[in-house]
Amino acid sequence: AQTVTQSQPEMSVQEAETVTLSCTYDTSESDYYLFWYKQPPSRQMILVIRQEAYKQQNATENRFSVNFQKAAKSFSLKISDSQLGDAAMYFCAYRSARAGTASKLTFGTGTRLQVTL
Amino acid sequence: NAGVTQTPKFQVLKTGQSMTLQCAQDMNHEYMSWYRQDPGMGLRLIHYSVGAGITDQGEVPNGYNVSRSTTEDFPLRLLSAAPSQTSVYFCASSYSGTFGELFFGEGSRLTVL
Repeated sequence: AQTVTQSQPEMSVQEAETVTLSCTYDTSESDYYLFWYKQPPSRQMILVIRQEAYKQQNATENRFSVNFQKAAKSFSLKISDSQLGDAAMYFCAYRSARAGTASKLTFGTGTRLQVTL
Repeated sequence: NAGVTQTPKFQVLKTGQSMTLQCAQDMNHEYMSWYRQDPGMGLRLIHYSVGAGITDQGEVPNGYNVSRSTTEDFPLRLLSAAPSQTSVYFCASSYSGTFGELFFGEGSRLTVL
């Protein structure tokens, strides 16, 4: 079974600064997808960024980027120019690429990000 | 476009009572799933479905039943609620495509006394 580990329960960053959230995972599969989800106080789960394991290029979405190290099974999220609206719980998630697994994600325990003035 | 709709948003039950959490999606997604979120444990998969009439168990299925009679609906039933089922429940749906993004409902907070 796959596991996802987020070793930072809480992180804090000053507005306009950069912060990196860590995620490691364990799998025996070679083809899979990785995601970062944001959960603000509203409780809504919002997809931040996703990465396909077969792509070596790191995904980028505006101020959000990832550092995907397949051999090390590491998938960290970098938030640049942090904004107050970035304050939320962030979850790392893994999904197999096998058929029939699109709705089966394995989540980490989350990192709560505080953004200070 | 409503997306994934869950009802109710909040519910308080007594131990032993039964209830159904409703989930409906209007995106014609084939795949649907239920997760529970507990403090310090992230989201864990309860049950999932790859199409009407097809369901399977996830990581924490005990105490929950599901059925999928239509593409749109995927209700989650608690037959005899227990305090351990106090949690926030999320319904999600996705396409069956290669990179099917998971769309989540707003969550339902259930408290079992």
